[in-house]
Amino acid sequence: DIQMTQSPSSLSASVGDRVTITCQASQDVRNFLNWYQQKPGKGPKLLIYDTSILQRGVPSRFSGSGSGTDFTLTISSLQPEDFATYICQHYANLPYTFGQGTKLEIQ
Amino acid sequence: EVELVESGGGLVKPGKSLRLSCAASGLSSGFPFRSYTMNWVRQAPGKGLEWVATISSNLAYIHYSDSVEGRFTISRDDAKNSLYLQMNSLRVEDTAIYHCATSAGPGRFDSWGQGTLVSVSS
Repeated sequence: DIQMTQSPSSLSASVGDRVTITCQASQDVRNFLNWYQQKPGKGPKLLIYDTSILQRGVPSRFSGSGSGTDFTLTISSLQPEDFATYICQHYANLPYTFGQGTKLEIQ
Repeated sequence: EVELVESGGGLVKPGKSLRLSCAASGLSSGFPFRSYTMNWVRQAPGKGLEWVATISSNLAYIHYSDSVEGRFTISRDDAKNSLYLQMNSLRVEDTAIYHCATSAGPGRFDSWGQGTLVSVSS
């Protein structure tokens, strides 16, 4: 199975900050990488698919990049509603696996 | 916007069975339930997300994670806009919140339900 490792595991930031979260795959997943946002008690929300394509309705302050084994999620200017856990997921092959999550907290 | 509501979770003893359901609503006529690949994904307490099973539209393929293969069965009833997960021979390690999720495209989980909690304990 492909292991997905996110860093950092937690992050404190302020409204207006630019934030970058990284995700590393244990094998080449090409561009088959998605990002989700999860808030307590809710199901995850798809933000970005195929590494860099913004899901419909997701604000443009979110962006994704990378290829192969190294990927990043960037939030250009944090808004209060962005404080949540962010999770990467590959779909290069089965089983699809997820990162352990990055918890973004208010500083 | 697609809304998914899971049900059927609860507390069961190891070795017993449980059947989860997922009801979909808010679907557009242009992309009805039968057009979606559907999935179950679980999250154990304090742990990350784990893909469990996938069933394609028209039942072209069904896949399971190794951890549930042979014990769980995913199925769907397109006439009822519903997805199911029959879970047999439950183990303590199956304890988790079980989410259903749609896939409008390969490998991505577009819409998710809030989940239903399954607790397996003696």
